[in-house]
Amino acid sequence: AQSVAQPEDQVNVAEGNPLTVKCTYSVSGNPYLFWYVQYPNRGLQFLLKYITGDNLVKGSYGFEAEFNKSQTSFHLKKPSALVSDSALYFCAVRDDLRGDMRFGAGTRLTVKP
Amino acid sequence: KAGVTQTPRYLIKTRGQQVTLSCSPISGHRSVSWYQQTPGQGLQFLFEYFSETQRNKGNFPGRFSGRQFSNSRSEMNVSTLELGDSALYLCASSLLGSGFGTGELFFGEGSRLTVL
Repeated sequence: AQSVAQPEDQVNVAEGNPLTVKCTYSVSGNPYLFWYVQYPNRGLQFLLKYITGDNLVKGSYGFEAEFNKSQTSFHLKKPSALVSDSALYFCAVRDDLRGDMRFGAGTRLTVKP
Repeated sequence: KAGVTQTPRYLIKTRGQQVTLSCSPISGHRSVSWYQQTPGQGLQFLFEYFSETQRNKGNFPGRFSGRQFSNSRSEMNVSTLELGDSALYLCASSLLGSGFGTGELFFGEGSRLTVL
């Protein structure tokens, strides 16, 4: 069965510093990987996805993610964090065999001024 | 283009009652998925509908049910409510859904259910 793991419940960074939110995945077929962000009392917003091709994927709001097949990872990164990036981040996976999207437990990112 | 619309946004019920939540997907999207979000369990997949047919189902009891109409609007129903059903219920739409595409899900703002 497909699944994703987000090993960190909480990530704290200072504004202006680079940030990384970690995600590892497990699928039977080819992985389709996604990152979403959730602000308080809101639904999830799509940030970026990896389907195939270049291992470095660029997305919304300056975020990017690196797909690493050998480590089965898809870490979310941003070169310079903003206080407004503080939110709950979810990694998700969909495989090409089963199809439905499964989410990680989420990582709460706090960016301090 | 209007986004995914969920109604109601907030509701309070008592144990034993039932509740129906509604979701209108983005125009042209044929797939609607439902998720339950709680602090303890995170985001859990309930079910997915595509062209009025349930395509996938998560691991929830039969008290949780759904349907999709010909205009792609979807409803989910929870009968005999329990305290543990208190959660944010999120609906998401996509153009083709699982198994047919690699598209992302577009989420609504959610319906927050409180069971007393």
